[in-house]
Amino acid sequence: GAVVSQHPSRVICKSGTSVKIECRSLDFQATTMFWYRQFPKQSLMLMATSNEGSKATYEQGVEKDKFLINHASLTLSTLTVTSAHPEDSSFYICSARGQRSWDTEAFFGQGTRLTVV
Amino acid sequence: LAKTTQPISMDSYEGQEVNITCSHNNIATNDYITWYQQFPSQGPRFIIQGYKTKVTNEVASLFIPADRKSSTLSLPRVSLSDTAVYYCLVGDINPNFNKFYFGSGTKLNVKP
Repeated sequence: GAVVSQHPSRVICKSGTSVKIECRSLDFQATTMFWYRQFPKQSLMLMATSNEGSKATYEQGVEKDKFLINHASLTLSTLTVTSAHPEDSSFYICSARGQRSWDTEAFFGQGTRLTVV
Repeated sequence: LAKTTQPISMDSYEGQEVNITCSHNNIATNDYITWYQQFPSQGPRFIIQGYKTKVTNEVASLFIPADRKSSTLSLPRVSLSDTAVYYCLVGDINPNFNKFYFGSGTKLNVKP
């Protein structure tokens, strides 16, 4: 099946700094990618929809100025957590789906564990 | 937006068949039903997807009744490595409308 790769898999940063997470679709083009956040023992929460060539669409309650999303190409989306604080510590997961009409399956990255100290 | 409801947890023993049912009463005509498996600290992994009736692949079967208001994931002869959280998702088949919202999922605990 198709592969979605995230980098880094783990990152520790100091409070107040910014962290960038990359999400790549390795063998297919993805017009749209999605970013999720998952706290321990909870389900995945959709944060935003990343659209190639246009602004991201954020879910209600997600601060767009804090979670900057850039979809630079059909295979790369980045999530930057700006001025990170300990409460931003979480597991961040991206997903992508092909743009063909029969691409009904969403593929997920392996996730990025962010720890803010 | 079709909301899904699943049991929070289930217990099973190795070698048994496990059936996890998901309710999606307001599923739309264009919605597919997809099941994912997630292990701790990993991204969800695709298990199976269907639109109606029955779908079977090498790891699971998916049963969808005619009204499509529910679906059942069937895992034959589970092993300890099947201990994970299983999510039922409902989403539009159109790639331009493919947001997937996760419900609570079902934590399957397989015992020896």
